Amino acid sequence: SQQGEEDPQALSIQEGENATMNCSYKTSINNLQWYRQNSGRGLVHLILIRSNEREKHSGRLRVTLDTSKKSSSLLITASRAADTASYFCVNAGNNRKLIWGLGTSLAVNP
Amino acid sequence: EAGVAQSPRYKIIEKRQSVAFWCNPISGHATLYWYQQILGQGPKLLIQFQNNGVVDDSQLPKDRFSAERLKGVDSTLKIQPAKLEDSAVYLCASSSPFSGNYEQYFGPGTRLTVT
Repeated sequence: SQQGEEDPQALSIQEGENATMNCSYKTSINNLQWYRQNSGRGLVHLILIRSNEREKHSGRLRVTLDTSKKSSSLLITASRAADTASYFCVNAGNNRKLIWGLGTSLAVNP
Repeated sequence: EAGVAQSPRYKIIEKRQSVAFWCNPISGHATLYWYQQILGQGPKLLIQFQNNGVVDDSQLPKDRFSAERLKGVDSTLKIQPAKLEDSAVYLCASSSPFSGNYEQYFGPGTRLTVT
């Protein structure tokens, strides 16, 4: 079952603003991954953070991980209309099983 | 490198009919996943293969769904008989165990409509 939970479920911002999405998980992780899905490019892997890491950057993306709170956040800085998509977190556990969150729908308005 | 290939891209069938989907993963990727994604929801993992062995099929409705990966490369997912609630996009993904990360690469999906 999908145990991860992203919040908010939906987020609407203006172009240029920052967007923050959160993810909570219940079982232990090997790593936590974020994916983006839009109609144009399907599901695409964005960034991965290992259980022993606390923060990671990739371009305009910044992901943090707090294993004590079993939560992660994804920050998109200087958002663009092309960032409009659904964002999912995935708990990749030590048992090779993957648990998907329910997703955050982000709308970036021009 | 070539991505994950899926076929067909679209399929329309009547309820109680059978349907099969095909997936060819990225070359060298030992792990293959089938997901069901209903409109407005996140992907739901149906089955995960490691080579030709099953890692997780806990959410596969085994009374009507079956999947195989006989040679550890390409895979087929079958629904027999289909129900209206099976209307969804079926996604195939693959990953390489060598990275240890299980970062997944997704195919374009097959959109199934059951009428």
